[in-house]
Amino acid sequence: GQQLNQSPQSMFIQEGEDVSMNCTSSSIFNTWLWYKQDPGEGPVLLIALYKAGELTSNGRLTAQFGITRKDSFLNISASIPSDVGIYFCAGRLDMLTFGGGTRLMVKP
Amino acid sequence: DTEVTQTPKHLVMGMTNKKSLKCEQHMGHRAMYWYKQKAKKPPELMFVYSYEKLSINESVPSRFSPECPNSSLLNLHLHALQPEDSALYLCASSQDPGGAGQPQHFGDGTRLSIL
Repeated sequence: GQQLNQSPQSMFIQEGEDVSMNCTSSSIFNTWLWYKQDPGEGPVLLIALYKAGELTSNGRLTAQFGITRKDSFLNISASIPSDVGIYFCAGRLDMLTFGGGTRLMVKP
Repeated sequence: DTEVTQTPKHLVMGMTNKKSLKCEQHMGHRAMYWYKQKAKKPPELMFVYSYEKLSINESVPSRFSPECPNSSLLNLHLHALQPEDSALYLCASSQDPGGAGQPQHFGDGTRLSIL
Protein backbone atom coordinates (compact mmCIF):
# COMPACT_ATOMS: atom_id res chain seq x y z
CA GLY A 1 0.00 0.00 0.00
CA GLN A 2 0.90 3.65 -0.07
CA GLN A 3 3.41 4.91 2.48
CA LEU A 4 3.88 8.45 3.70
CA ASN A 5 7.21 9.41 5.22
CA GLN A 6 6.86 12.35 7.57
CA SER A 7 9.85 14.12 9.04
CA PRO A 8 11.07 15.02 11.47
CA GLN A 9 9.47 12.63 13.96
CA SER A 10 9.88 15.19 16.73
CA MET A 11 11.12 18.73 17.22
CA PHE A 12 11.99 20.66 20.37
CA ILE A 13 12.27 24.35 19.60
CA GLN A 14 12.42 27.72 21.31
CA GLU A 15 9.34 29.94 21.32
CA GLY A 16 9.53 32.38 18.42
CA GLU A 17 11.42 30.04 16.10
CA ASP A 18 10.08 28.93 12.75
CA VAL A 19 9.21 25.27 12.16
CA SER A 20 9.26 23.19 9.02
CA MET A 21 8.05 19.64 8.49
CA ASN A 22 7.39 17.61 5.37
CA CYS A 23 5.89 14.47 3.95
CA THR A 24 7.02 12.44 0.97
CA SER A 25 5.40 9.55 -0.80
CA SER A 26 6.30 6.99 -3.42
CA SER A 27 2.87 7.52 -4.99
CA ILE A 28 0.96 10.55 -6.15
CA PHE A 29 -2.01 12.08 -4.34
CA ASN A 30 -4.74 14.44 -5.51
CA THR A 31 -5.18 16.07 -2.10
CA TRP A 32 -2.84 16.85 0.77
CA LEU A 33 -4.16 17.63 4.23
CA TRP A 34 -2.42 18.79 7.38
CA TYR A 35 -3.93 18.05 10.80
CA LYS A 36 -2.93 18.90 14.36
CA GLN A 37 -3.84 16.64 17.27
CA ASP A 38 -3.74 17.71 20.91
CA PRO A 39 -3.75 15.16 23.75
CA GLY A 40 -7.19 13.72 24.37
CA GLU A 41 -8.65 15.20 21.20
CA GLY A 42 -9.17 14.23 17.61
CA PRO A 43 -7.14 15.58 14.68
CA VAL A 44 -8.14 19.09 13.66
CA LEU A 45 -7.81 20.13 10.03
CA LEU A 46 -5.30 22.97 9.56
CA ILE A 47 -4.86 23.26 5.80
CA ALA A 48 -6.20 21.44 2.74
CA LEU A 49 -4.37 21.48 -0.61
CA TYR A 50 -6.04 20.41 -3.85
CA LYS A 51 -3.69 21.33 -6.71
CA ALA A 52 -0.07 20.57 -7.47
CA GLY A 53 2.02 23.63 -6.70
CA GLU A 54 -0.68 25.17 -4.51
CA LEU A 55 0.63 27.30 -1.63
CA THR A 56 -1.90 28.06 1.12
CA SER A 57 -1.66 29.97 4.38
CA ASN A 58 -3.73 29.85 7.54
CA GLY A 59 -2.45 32.51 9.94
CA ARG A 60 1.12 31.60 10.87
CA LEU A 61 0.85 28.29 9.00
CA THR A 62 1.83 27.82 5.36
CA ALA A 63 1.64 24.58 3.41
CA GLN A 64 2.46 23.62 -0.16
CA PHE A 65 1.38 20.80 -2.46
CA GLY A 66 4.52 19.63 -4.26
CA ILE A 67 4.54 19.88 -8.03
CA THR A 68 5.32 16.17 -8.36
CA ARG A 69 2.18 15.46 -6.26
CA LYS A 70 4.32 13.19 -4.09
CA ASP A 71 5.23 15.61 -1.33
CA SER A 72 4.02 18.46 0.85
CA PHE A 73 5.48 20.69 3.52
CA LEU A 74 4.08 22.68 6.44
CA ASN A 75 5.79 25.72 7.90
CA ILE A 76 4.88 27.41 11.18
CA SER A 77 6.30 30.88 11.70
CA ALA A 78 7.08 32.47 15.08
CA SER A 79 6.05 29.45 17.14
CA ILE A 80 4.15 29.89 20.39
CA PRO A 81 3.56 27.45 23.27
CA SER A 82 0.08 26.49 22.06
CA ASP A 83 1.61 25.12 18.85
CA VAL A 84 2.62 22.09 20.90
CA GLY A 85 1.04 18.89 19.62
CA ILE A 86 1.33 16.22 16.98
CA TYR A 87 1.07 17.27 13.36
CA PHE A 88 -0.05 14.74 10.77
CA CYS A 89 0.11 15.01 7.03
CA ALA A 90 -2.41 12.99 5.05
CA GLY A 91 -2.58 12.30 1.36
CA ARG A 92 -5.71 11.28 -0.46
CA LEU A 93 -6.24 9.42 -3.69
CA ASP A 94 -9.13 7.10 -2.89
CA MET A 95 -8.76 6.93 0.87
CA LEU A 96 -6.72 8.96 3.30
CA THR A 97 -3.16 7.84 4.08
CA PHE A 98 -1.51 9.38 7.13
CA GLY A 99 2.11 10.17 7.78
CA GLY A 100 3.68 9.01 11.03
CA GLY A 101 3.31 12.42 12.69
CA THR A 102 5.67 15.14 13.91
CA ARG A 103 5.64 15.80 17.64
CA LEU A 104 6.31 19.48 18.27
CA MET A 105 7.48 20.74 21.62
CA VAL A 106 7.96 24.47 22.24
CA LYS A 107 10.09 25.85 25.05
CA PRO A 108 8.82 29.20 26.37
CA ASP B 1 -15.33 22.57 19.20
CA THR B 2 -15.67 19.72 16.77
CA GLU B 3 -18.73 19.33 14.55
CA VAL B 4 -18.44 15.57 14.82
CA THR B 5 -19.67 14.45 18.24
CA GLN B 6 -18.62 11.17 19.77
CA THR B 7 -19.93 9.49 22.90
CA PRO B 8 -18.84 8.34 25.34
CA LYS B 9 -15.48 10.11 25.72
CA HIS B 10 -14.13 7.27 27.82
CA LEU B 11 -15.17 3.63 28.09
CA VAL B 12 -13.80 0.84 30.23
CA MET B 13 -15.15 -2.63 29.56
CA GLY B 14 -14.41 -6.23 30.23
CA MET B 15 -13.70 -8.75 27.54
CA THR B 16 -17.16 -10.29 27.84
CA ASN B 17 -19.11 -7.03 27.72
CA LYS B 18 -21.13 -5.60 24.84
CA LYS B 19 -21.02 -1.85 24.34
CA SER B 20 -21.51 0.67 21.56
CA LEU B 21 -19.69 3.79 20.46
CA LYS B 22 -21.74 6.57 18.90
CA CYS B 23 -20.93 9.28 16.41
CA GLU B 24 -23.13 12.10 15.13
CA GLN B 25 -22.65 14.86 12.55
CA HIS B 26 -25.10 17.45 11.25
CA MET B 27 -23.02 18.89 8.42
CA GLY B 28 -24.90 16.96 5.74
CA HIS B 29 -21.85 14.83 5.06
CA ARG B 30 -22.55 11.60 3.19
CA ALA B 31 -19.38 9.71 4.09
CA MET B 32 -18.55 8.59 7.61
CA TYR B 33 -15.52 6.74 8.89
CA TRP B 34 -14.25 4.79 11.88
CA TYR B 35 -10.54 4.90 12.72
CA LYS B 36 -8.50 3.25 15.45
CA GLN B 37 -5.54 5.14 16.88
CA LYS B 38 -2.88 3.71 19.17
CA ALA B 39 -0.68 6.00 21.25
CA LYS B 40 1.87 8.01 19.26
CA LYS B 41 0.64 6.48 15.99
CA PRO B 42 -1.47 7.88 13.15
CA PRO B 43 -5.13 6.89 12.80
CA GLU B 44 -5.78 3.58 11.03
CA LEU B 45 -8.88 3.25 8.89
CA MET B 46 -11.39 0.59 9.97
CA PHE B 47 -14.65 1.24 8.10
CA VAL B 48 -16.12 3.62 5.56
CA TYR B 49 -19.83 4.31 5.07
CA SER B 50 -20.88 5.95 1.85
CA TYR B 51 -24.48 7.15 1.59
CA GLU B 52 -25.32 4.98 4.63
CA LYS B 53 -23.92 1.82 3.08
CA LEU B 54 -20.74 0.07 4.17
CA SER B 55 -18.25 0.56 1.36
CA ILE B 56 -14.94 -0.36 2.97
CA ASN B 57 -14.04 -2.80 5.73
CA GLU B 58 -10.28 -2.86 6.23
CA SER B 59 -10.23 -6.50 7.34
CA VAL B 60 -11.47 -5.57 10.79
CA PRO B 61 -12.27 -8.50 13.16
CA SER B 62 -15.96 -9.32 13.52
CA ARG B 63 -15.93 -8.34 17.20
CA PHE B 64 -16.27 -4.80 15.78
CA SER B 65 -19.62 -4.28 14.08
CA PRO B 66 -20.44 -0.92 12.47
CA GLU B 67 -23.92 0.40 11.86
CA CYS B 68 -25.21 3.50 10.10
CA PRO B 69 -28.86 4.06 11.13
CA ASN B 70 -29.16 7.27 9.10
CA SER B 71 -27.03 9.85 7.34
CA SER B 72 -26.17 11.65 10.59
CA LEU B 73 -25.38 8.73 12.86
CA LEU B 74 -22.69 6.08 12.95
CA ASN B 75 -22.35 3.41 15.61
CA LEU B 76 -19.64 0.90 16.40
CA HIS B 77 -20.85 -2.14 18.33
CA LEU B 78 -18.25 -3.91 20.42
CA HIS B 79 -18.37 -7.49 21.68
CA ALA B 80 -15.77 -9.82 23.15
CA LEU B 81 -12.91 -7.39 22.68
CA GLN B 82 -9.30 -8.16 23.51
CA PRO B 83 -6.85 -6.06 25.59
CA GLU B 84 -4.99 -5.11 22.40
CA ASP B 85 -8.19 -3.39 21.21
CA SER B 86 -7.60 -0.65 23.79
CA ALA B 87 -7.13 2.54 21.78
CA LEU B 88 -8.65 5.86 20.81
CA TYR B 89 -11.52 5.28 18.37
CA LEU B 90 -12.10 8.21 16.07
CA CYS B 91 -15.11 8.96 13.92
CA ALA B 92 -14.79 11.24 10.91
CA SER B 93 -17.04 12.54 8.17
CA SER B 94 -16.59 14.16 4.78
CA GLN B 95 -18.89 15.84 2.30
CA ASP B 96 -18.73 13.06 -0.21
CA PRO B 97 -17.02 9.71 -0.34
CA GLY B 98 -15.53 10.15 -3.77
CA GLY B 99 -12.08 11.15 -4.83
CA ALA B 100 -12.96 14.85 -4.98
CA GLY B 101 -10.64 15.35 -2.06
CA GLN B 102 -13.11 16.76 0.43
CA PRO B 103 -11.31 16.80 3.79
CA GLN B 104 -12.39 14.58 6.63
CA HIS B 105 -13.43 16.19 9.89
CA PHE B 106 -12.76 14.22 13.05
CA GLY B 107 -14.50 13.90 16.37
CA ASP B 108 -12.57 13.90 19.63
CA GLY B 109 -12.74 10.15 19.90
CA THR B 110 -13.67 7.57 22.50
CA ARG B 111 -10.82 6.37 24.68
CA LEU B 112 -11.48 2.64 25.07
CA SER B 113 -9.81 0.47 27.68
CA ILE B 114 -10.32 -3.30 27.75
CA LEU B 115 -9.71 -4.99 31.08
